[in-house]
Amino acid sequence: DTAVSQTPKYLVTQMGNDKSIKCEQNLGHDTMYWYKQDSKKFLKIMFSYNNKELIINETVPNRFSPKSPDKAHLNLHINSLELGDSAVYFCASSPGAGAPDTQYFGPGTRLTVL
Amino acid sequence: TQLLEQSPQFLSIQEGENLTVYCNSSSVFSSLQWYRQEPGEGPVLLVTVVTGGEVKKLKRLTFQFGDARKDSSLHITAAQTGDTGLYLCAGGKAAGNKLTFGGGTRVLVKP
Repeated sequence: DTAVSQTPKYLVTQMGNDKSIKCEQNLGHDTMYWYKQDSKKFLKIMFSYNNKELIINETVPNRFSPKSPDKAHLNLHINSLELGDSAVYFCASSPGAGAPDTQYFGPGTRLTVL
Repeated sequence: TQLLEQSPQFLSIQEGENLTVYCNSSSVFSSLQWYRQEPGEGPVLLVTVVTGGEVKKLKRLTFQFGDARKDSSLHITAAQTGDTGLYLCAGGKAAGNKLTFGGGTRVLVKP
């Protein structure tokens, strides 16, 4: 019973392509997140949704577009991929009942842009 | 500029030794969380501290939140090989659920 799942686990693609990463949580949480972890292991938040509504949108290129069809899913679409987009992308969810909030992370999607 | 600085960045010790990881900031946080991340997996929450001066123990792990809520430390007693991993501190603000992560400390415990 995977709490937060992501697909695919690995994604290798060419520069300029468009790709999507999917995330699903079965914890009944209200809030979901996308993080980017670079090669130095620095984890930085990109987006957060609460009940399908965008609540955090960090300084991320507009080539990145999150979509939340329902509160259990948060997908990330990336247009015109660049070399610098290579990283591990983590989805997370939390109950969203108020800070501090425990975040549960997925296993990550390793994106490699060639 | 990272709001949360972790030190050291890398720590290699023998099984049975003790270690301490530090997390420092010039900002005040309403809460401080510690996560451990193993290769190929996402971070997993170890503890949350919310009160200045708070100390929490989790078996051989002791977590402390600074009095001014700007810094924290993680101390592991008698480290085991299973403690190997990337330790991340994350600061939270009172409003919202946004976490700011430190750069991580990679701990290697050798048998």
